[in-house]
Amino acid sequence: DTGVSQDPRHKITKRGQNVTFRCDPISEHNRLYWYRQTLGQGPEFLTYFQNEAQLEKSRLLSDRFSAERPKGSFSTLEIQRTEQGDSAMYLCASSLAGTGVTGELFFGEGSRLTVL
Amino acid sequence: AQSVAQPEDQVNVAEGNPLTVKCTYSVSGNPYLFWYVQYPNRGLQFLLKYITGDNLVKGSYGFEAEFNKSQTSFHLKKPSALVSDSALYFCAVRDPTTSGTYKYIFGTGTRLKVLA
Repeated sequence: DTGVSQDPRHKITKRGQNVTFRCDPISEHNRLYWYRQTLGQGPEFLTYFQNEAQLEKSRLLSDRFSAERPKGSFSTLEIQRTEQGDSAMYLCASSLAGTGVTGELFFGEGSRLTVL
Repeated sequence: AQSVAQPEDQVNVAEGNPLTVKCTYSVSGNPYLFWYVQYPNRGLQFLLKYITGDNLVKGSYGFEAEFNKSQTSFHLKKPSALVSDSALYFCAVRDPTTSGTYKYIFGTGTRLKVLA
């Protein structure tokens, strides 16, 4: 399978615990995005990387959230001291960037977080 | 700031009838526009995009969309709906003229129900 993969698909945790999600993009894609989606809503932008550089972060991304893409390949999204309001689907997407490339996003299946 | 609106939470259509899912956008320059579909508990799948050129673009599964610059709209259409088209549809926009940003903004989604 050469699509975007996310792990774990579902995480249940207690309030106050830390969680980490991993995303493996399509191998030749140099941009990687994280979005959050709650029930009945559209994806909300969190952050994106070009190669290993984190180029933009949403104001939604509080200091409890951190994302990395250390070698420009896979990425991790960590949420510290989880709160019930963090319960959502966390979507990862990747795209190919470059001159003449319009770069539509390719999404993974998502990681669903439930905070009890 | 870029934004996208999907004015209808739900659209119901009889199988075999034409369907339209509406999307309007706001960007400072010429937009890149996208449609995605999401089936239950799945990630978003790319349907089609408008970058430049012909205002009518064709995509996957028989869908097409019409870009209308004067009305700032990008409505999704299909001549004959199938029950299997029932899903959640998202419009997205990127403003390629805003320096330093490659983020995509999504609408809140429209649930399409095709009735047999």
